[in-house]
Amino acid sequence: AQSVTQLGSHVSVSEGALVLLRCNYSSSVPPYLFWYVQYPNQGLQLLLKYTTGATLVKGINGFEAEFKKSETSFHLTKPSAHMSDAAEYFCAVSDPMNTGFQKLVFGTGTRLLVSP
Amino acid sequence: GAGVSQTPSNKVTEKGKYVELRCDPISGHTALYWYRQSLGQGPEFLIYFQGTGAADDSGLPNDRFFAVRPEGSVSTLKIQRTERGDSAVYLCASSLTGLESDTQYFGPGTRLTVL
Repeated sequence: AQSVTQLGSHVSVSEGALVLLRCNYSSSVPPYLFWYVQYPNQGLQLLLKYTTGATLVKGINGFEAEFKKSETSFHLTKPSAHMSDAAEYFCAVSDPMNTGFQKLVFGTGTRLLVSP
Repeated sequence: GAGVSQTPSNKVTEKGKYVELRCDPISGHTALYWYRQSLGQGPEFLIYFQGTGAADDSGLPNDRFFAVRPEGSVSTLKIQRTERGDSAVYLCASSLTGLESDTQYFGPGTRLTVL
């Protein structure tokens, strides 16, 4: 069974600092990988996804992530944090070979705190 | 355009009662998903619809949970004999096709509290 590990339930950065949110997955085949952001009282919004092709994926709001098969990782980064980036971030995987549809398995989330 | 909407936004009920949670997906989306998000956890898959049929209900925790999508659009998640452990945020998502590379669009959720 697939699983997702997000290291750090909380990450604190200063405004303007680098953001790094970690995600490792466990899967028997290279999965499809996703990062979602959840603002308070709002639904999850897709930041970016990796399915095939280029392993460095750029998303919305200046975020990007790199799929590293050898490290089974898909860490999320942003060069310069903004106050509006404060939210909960979820990494998710989907096994493209197993179910025939996009059955997402989510990590437990990382809350990003941005201080002035 | 309108996104995924869910009603009610909050539902408080007593143990043993029956509840229905509604999801209105994005128009034209054939795939619809229900998830449950407990406090401090990520969303957990409950059920997937392709059109009117439940293609995968392997995530439903027990037979007290049931979901329908009779016309291939609106879906209702039904919980019988609610228990305190059912308290969570129930999320609905829809996608255009359901394919593995698709994008799921989530609603804001229904917060269910069972007293």
